[in-house]
Amino acid sequence: DAKTTQPNSMESNEEEPVHLPCNHSTISGTDYIHWYRQLPSQGPEYVIHGLISNVNNRMASLAIAEDRKSSTLILHRATLRDAAVYYCILRDSGNEKLTFGTGTRLTIIP
Amino acid sequence: GAGVSQSPSNKVTEKGKDVELRCDPISGHTALYWYRQSLGQGLEFLIYFQGNSAPDKSGLPSDRFSAERTGGSVSTLTIQRTQQEDSAVYLCASSLRGGLTEAFFGQGTRLTVV
Repeated sequence: DAKTTQPNSMESNEEEPVHLPCNHSTISGTDYIHWYRQLPSQGPEYVIHGLISNVNNRMASLAIAEDRKSSTLILHRATLRDAAVYYCILRDSGNEKLTFGTGTRLTIIP
Repeated sequence: GAGVSQSPSNKVTEKGKDVELRCDPISGHTALYWYRQSLGQGLEFLIYFQGNSAPDKSGLPSDRFSAERTGGSVSTLTIQRTQQEDSAVYLCASSLRGGLTEAFFGQGTRLTVV
């Protein structure tokens, strides 16, 4: 399986944008980039996913590099509720299971 | 609507006992996953069910672990002869079709083996 690399931790001030990076240099052409997050004491929740083009939804934006070897999850205006571990996961239709790495622990500073 | 439901939410058992953990997926979801998360660790894949296909059991750590899914709905994860290292939060997730569709997770069952 193609691997992803994320920083172990990041901090951001409340109400400021947050850019969470993910490297996936061995990504294949059929791999989608998925992001999940896990709030304290909860199961993970889906955030966003994309293949080639940048994607936006109500939670976040996903910026994908032109060569697809990296991507960035963007939280436009962080709130305290966004403090969580964020997981970047590669997934293709032939690999059904979600393989979670260690993720990035995001701390929001009030 | 109802999400993924897991029961019990907490379970304390003695070493050597068998335990059963239950997962009720979202109605209509054909794919079901089990993961476990030890304290302060990441999520470890255990098993995956998709429709009537043979389950992907590649993540089960030993033959003490088994899971079944009856009627394509409710799933039970069974751990026989529990050990202290089995202590973890066991998480279940379901998705509409598996593959690339969004997975919805339950709140988990916290298992403590004493």
